[in-house]
Amino acid sequence: EDQVTQSPEALRLQEGESSSLNCSYTVSGLRGLFWYRQDPGKGPEFLFTLYSAGEEKEKERLKATLTKKESFLHITAPKPEDSATYLCAVQAYDYKLSFGAGTTVTVRA
Amino acid sequence: DAGVIQSPRHEVTEMGQEVTLRCKPISGHNSLFWYRQTMMRGLELLIYFNNNVPIDDSGMPEDRFSAKMPNASFSTLKIQPSEPRDSAVYFCASSFAHGAEIYEQFFGPGTRLTVL
Repeated sequence: EDQVTQSPEALRLQEGESSSLNCSYTVSGLRGLFWYRQDPGKGPEFLFTLYSAGEEKEKERLKATLTKKESFLHITAPKPEDSATYLCAVQAYDYKLSFGAGTTVTVRA
Repeated sequence: DAGVIQSPRHEVTEMGQEVTLRCKPISGHNSLFWYRQTMMRGLELLIYFNNNVPIDDSGMPEDRFSAKMPNASFSTLKIQPSEPRDSAVYFCASSFAHGAEIYEQFFGPGTRLTVL
């Protein structure tokens, strides 16, 4: 069974204080790893898809990387508007996404 | 594009009542997913449709839950009778699938269901 573990559960940052979120996974035959952002009271918002180890993608202050066993979401010089829950999900050789429990990031001004 | 549309956004009902949640996927998408999110269990896939056909309903918790997709632009998730443990946020998501290609899923705003 696919397993996705995210750490830490919560992260409190000062504005401008860079940090990283971890997503470790166990899946037989990874086809894609997805990062989503979820704001309170809203649905998950798609951020990135990573397909193979060594791949990196960037969007504004966010950068996602992938190895054979884990993915990192790096937040560089975060701003208060980056506060959200970040969800990681893996997709094996079918259509199903297996989600982690998420990391809740709070950025203080 | 308006994105995935769900209605109602909030539903409060009493135990035993029938509840119907509605979803309009993104135009052009051929795959639709219903999820449930709770604090205890996170996001769980309930059912997956491809080209309006239910492919996998193994995540549907009980026979009280049913889902339909009569056409490419509309789907419903029905709970009858509802129970307090069904209280959760229900999300609809859509994507485009072509053969073995995997594409990202786009989520709607969700329906917050409270069963008293």
